[in-house]
Amino acid sequence: DIQMTQSPSSLSASVGDRVTITCRASQGISNYLAWYQQKPGEVPKLLIYAASTLQSGVPSRFSGSGSGTEFTLTINSLQPEDFATYYCQNYYSAPFTFGPGTKVDIK
Amino acid sequence: EVQLVESGGGLVQPGGSLRLSCAASGFTFSSSAMNWVRQAPGRGLDWVSGITGSGGGTRYADPVSGRFTISRDNSRNTVYLQMNSLRTEDTAVYYCAKAKGAMSTAGTRYLDNWGQGTLVTVSS
Repeated sequence: DIQMTQSPSSLSASVGDRVTITCRASQGISNYLAWYQQKPGEVPKLLIYAASTLQSGVPSRFSGSGSGTEFTLTINSLQPEDFATYYCQNYYSAPFTFGPGTKVDIK
Repeated sequence: EVQLVESGGGLVQPGGSLRLSCAASGFTFSSSAMNWVRQAPGRGLDWVSGITGSGGGTRYADPVSGRFTISRDNSRNTVYLQMNSLRTEDTAVYYCAKAKGAMSTAGTRYLDNWGQGTLVTVSS
């Protein structure tokens, strides 16, 4: 099975900051990597698929990059509504494992 | 508008069984793989199981393989998760999630719509 890791596990940032989250796969998954955002008490929401394609309606301050085993999610100019937990997911092969999550909170 | 509505959660004793349902609307149900994802209290997301659009193919996470069975009824636009031999560690909110497209096509397996979830509590 493919294992997914994320770093950091949590971070504190201020409104307007640039934030970068890293996701690593234990073996190559090409670009079959998705990012999800989950706010407390809410359902996960798809942000990015195919490692770098923004889902419709997602603000352009979110971006993704990477291929193979290393991926990044970048949030430019962090907004108050971006404070949440972010998960990456492998959908290259089953089981379609998620990373453990990165919690972004207010500094 | 895509809607996914889960039901069937509740309190069950260890070793018991429960069947979850997810009623779907707003898209061509048989064209999309469907998945179950769970989240234990205060924990992260865990992919549980997936099923192809036709229902002919299924996949499971190791912790539930042999105990859980995913199925679907395309005439009712509903996907199910039969959970047997439940353990305390199965306690979680169970989300139904729609894949963009077919499970057979790697590029469309990501989860583009999620239900609100149903809580399963396994406790004596």
